[in-house]
Amino acid sequence: EVQLVETGGGLVQPGRSLKLSCVASGFTFNNYWMSWTRQAPGKGLEWVASITNSGGSTYYPDSVKGRFTISRDNAQNTLYLQMNSLRSEDTATYYCTRLGRGWFAYWGQGTLVTVSS
Amino acid sequence: DVVLTQTPVSLSVTLGDQASISCRSSQSLEYSDGYTYLEWYLQKPGQSPQLLIYGVSNRFSGVPDRFIGSGSGTDFTLKISRVEPEDLGVYYCFQATHDPLTFGSGTKLEIK
Repeated sequence: EVQLVETGGGLVQPGRSLKLSCVASGFTFNNYWMSWTRQAPGKGLEWVASITNSGGSTYYPDSVKGRFTISRDNAQNTLYLQMNSLRSEDTATYYCTRLGRGWFAYWGQGTLVTVSS
Repeated sequence: DVVLTQTPVSLSVTLGDQASISCRSSQSLEYSDGYTYLEWYLQKPGQSPQLLIYGVSNRFSGVPDRFIGSGSGTDFTLKISRVEPEDLGVYYCFQATHDPLTFGSGTKLEIK
């Protein structure tokens, strides 16, 4: 069974940094692209970042490009999201997702990031 | 960026009836390889989203055949025949043909 477990969320001040982790199990991690998607409270879904299975290429929308960095440790079956220069509009639940038949075939339970002073 | 416009914003359906959700794209979603990267997701209350449909009309593993995706180019539809209580939630269309990847704003399905 595919399992994705995110950790690392919490309350952080504007301008500070936070690093999220996602531990994967139930599949061969280094065979799949992975992504982060987020959802602001009461709002819709927004794609945040994707990474190839080797980690050699990464992709971001303009809203986080230059501030967020997606990475992975295939030996540890772990996906990361380093978030710098956080803004209030980054407040959201962040989901770790795995590519499958669809772009986000599997989702974790999410971790809440609150950016506030 | 590609804008996906979902209608209606909300939908109230009697159990056993059909529901239909439209997703209109600001650009064609057919990729140069001939594939159309249009997907549908459902977020049930208090849960993470789940994949329903990929490639316009293919049901993901375990998705009942009551869920039917159709469309091409810029116009897509998700039909739910014989709505059941567990179908309530917010439905999102999503495109991965163009960068950046984008979601529609969602359609909330309520049960009458």
